[in-house]
Amino acid sequence: ETGVTQTPRHLVMGMTNKKSLKCEQHLGHNAMYWYKQSAKKPLELMFVYNFKEQTENNSVPSRFSPECPNSSHLFLHLHTLQPEDSALYLCASSQDLSSGSEQFFGPGTRLTVL
Amino acid sequence: RKEVEQDPGPFNVPEGATVAFNCTYSNSASQSFFWYRQDCRKEPKLLMSVYSSGNEDGRFTAQLNRASQYISLLIRDSKLSDSATYLCVVNGDYKLSFGAGTTVTVRA
Repeated sequence: ETGVTQTPRHLVMGMTNKKSLKCEQHLGHNAMYWYKQSAKKPLELMFVYNFKEQTENNSVPSRFSPECPNSSHLFLHLHTLQPEDSALYLCASSQDLSSGSEQFFGPGTRLTVL
Repeated sequence: RKEVEQDPGPFNVPEGATVAFNCTYSNSASQSFFWYRQDCRKEPKLLMSVYSSGNEDGRFTAQLNRASQYISLLIRDSKLSDSATYLCVVNGDYKLSFGAGTTVTVRA
């Protein structure tokens, strides 16, 4: 596997379910990110991890809970979501947090909350 | 005011045409600038970084105007494969701020 992978690619869940999104990067990067992309809206940064330490929580509701066990893996745990949380959730990684560091994106998980 | 604003388009152009579009950003302290490309239902991918002096990559030319706080992308000799959404991305400290994208459709 190369680059950034995400599973599952599609997820449909009810508002009372608990599910987790998984991201793995094979690039040797130190920083990882979760973004939310809703239709016709800009990508919204949710969380940033650097060397598996959370450095940013962009006012994300507590029904989204990130976990970063090591620099290669990032999870997003979901519980009691709302229909407006339906979106494409993108994971990204970069070598570090420097301003010129390119971010590489995974293919995303398309989430539908019923 | 949005951090990064783009004309959503769509820009519908024939093959071989030149198409250009801008984006504006609000944070004057922004340090790095990029254009990402996102194909339908795919993830964004870096198209090119934008340097102060302007830069070219094949048929693509990017310009930065710090005084007016905008960046531009010009595509020459458009190909069908250039059809995509182009995301303007600005980096202040380490956080990337994305525009909503400009959609370009190249027709045969």
